[in-house]
Amino acid sequence: QSALTQPPSASGSPGQSVTISCTGTSSDVGAYNYVSWYQQHPGKAPKLMIYEVTKRPSGVPDRFSGSKYGSTASLTVSGLQAEDEADYYCSSYVGSDNFEFGGGTKLTVL
Amino acid sequence: EVQLVESGGGLVQPGGSLRLSCAASGFTFSSYLMHWVRQVPGKGLVWVSRIYSDGSKKGYADSVKGRFTISRDNAKNTLYLQMSSLRDEDTGIYHCTRESDPGGLEWGQGTMVTVSS
Repeated sequence: QSALTQPPSASGSPGQSVTISCTGTSSDVGAYNYVSWYQQHPGKAPKLMIYEVTKRPSGVPDRFSGSKYGSTASLTVSGLQAEDEADYYCSSYVGSDNFEFGGGTKLTVL
Repeated sequence: EVQLVESGGGLVQPGGSLRLSCAASGFTFSSYLMHWVRQVPGKGLVWVSRIYSDGSKKGYADSVKGRFTISRDNAKNTLYLQMSSLRDEDTGIYHCTRESDPGGLEWGQGTMVTVSS
């Protein structure tokens, strides 16, 4: 199983928007609407930010949004804040009760 | 409050075995699918295994298939991961996670497993 492809880094200034991509194939991201996004601060456990491509768990700010086009999913963070600086990981169901994660993207708030 | 508390990690030699446990509280454990996910400190996440709420179906990453076994005891609110024939590349923090939303996971803090001679 290959990891989903994410850019290693992304950055933006406070107040700006930044989008992180997660590229898979027609067998994973392109086949299922079970794409999730996680935020991880140093020394902390990952936190669910988006599930089923576009849905936010309660308590997650609406500055975070998800989308998908074909085999590429995206996480957009609008109105960047300092506390958004973290690592972000995507995940997708790939069938046969299996999942995959992306390699992670380090988001820097300039 | 949902709590997932992992235990059982440690140092083991290549080829050895280890059993991880995850004590769940704050929710109806028997109603949720559960997963194990590995993370090498400073590196990315690797999905390991998933089990249905009643234990009827299980899935494994290719890298652990035939070596790891996921199980659960709903009466004890506990998730397990039996690991055998351990390799260097199995080293990492093993997180117990609850599938709180379809495909979406809530995480415990993890237990460290080090495979080294």
